[in-house]
Amino acid sequence: DAGVTQSPTHLIKTRGQQVTLRCSPKSGHDTVSWYQQALGQGPQFIFQYYEEEERQRGNFPDRFSGHQFPNYSSELNVNALLLGDSALYLCASTPGSGASSYNEQFFGPGTRLTVL
Amino acid sequence: AQSVTQPDIHITVSEGASLELRCNYSYGATPYLFWYVQSPGQGLQLLLKYFSGDTLVQGIKGFEAEFKRSQSSFNLRKPSVHWSDAAEYFCAVIKAAGNKLTFGGGTRVLVKP
Repeated sequence: DAGVTQSPTHLIKTRGQQVTLRCSPKSGHDTVSWYQQALGQGPQFIFQYYEEEERQRGNFPDRFSGHQFPNYSSELNVNALLLGDSALYLCASTPGSGASSYNEQFFGPGTRLTVL
Repeated sequence: AQSVTQPDIHITVSEGASLELRCNYSYGATPYLFWYVQSPGQGLQLLLKYFSGDTLVQGIKGFEAEFKRSQSSFNLRKPSVHWSDAAEYFCAVIKAAGNKLTFGGGTRVLVKP
């Protein structure tokens, strides 16, 4: 059983560009959350998707957007990249809606984004 | 707003020695508490969690943690450290509903031979 997978592994972009990161959840999981982990810091919650809708959002600007597909996979899009967007982006999946009860989140290995 | 503090940024410990990582949280209600480990190039792996009940929680890889409400702490311990325990450790909390993890800044553990 494959765990959470993310692509690409590494990505280099320049300021002002747009980027799309992808996540495939663990089999049987229908809720996907995205986190940003800057160098030397703990992960910060960006948003969570369930039933193809954004259910919760952290303190991130509208430049950060997402999407969830019918097969539960998800994309994170970041527009107008800033140097400060350089980070490890982690995807986590859980079974069941995250809004009503807690289920363990399984994390992928992350995508390392570098903005030059 | 809830927050998590890990006072120690780095800890160096000798192989075979005991390890204790500190975690303090600030949250009005009873939190759900977690410890995760992150090895280089790896995602986060859950070591253990506390929801309610017995305040001493056993986890994987020989780790345990103790919840102390009076001190708002959830410290992680291991009696005898192995070289493979070198990694970064994160304490995290979650609301009773919402499934949104709030992480501390992490503690990097170095293991000396």
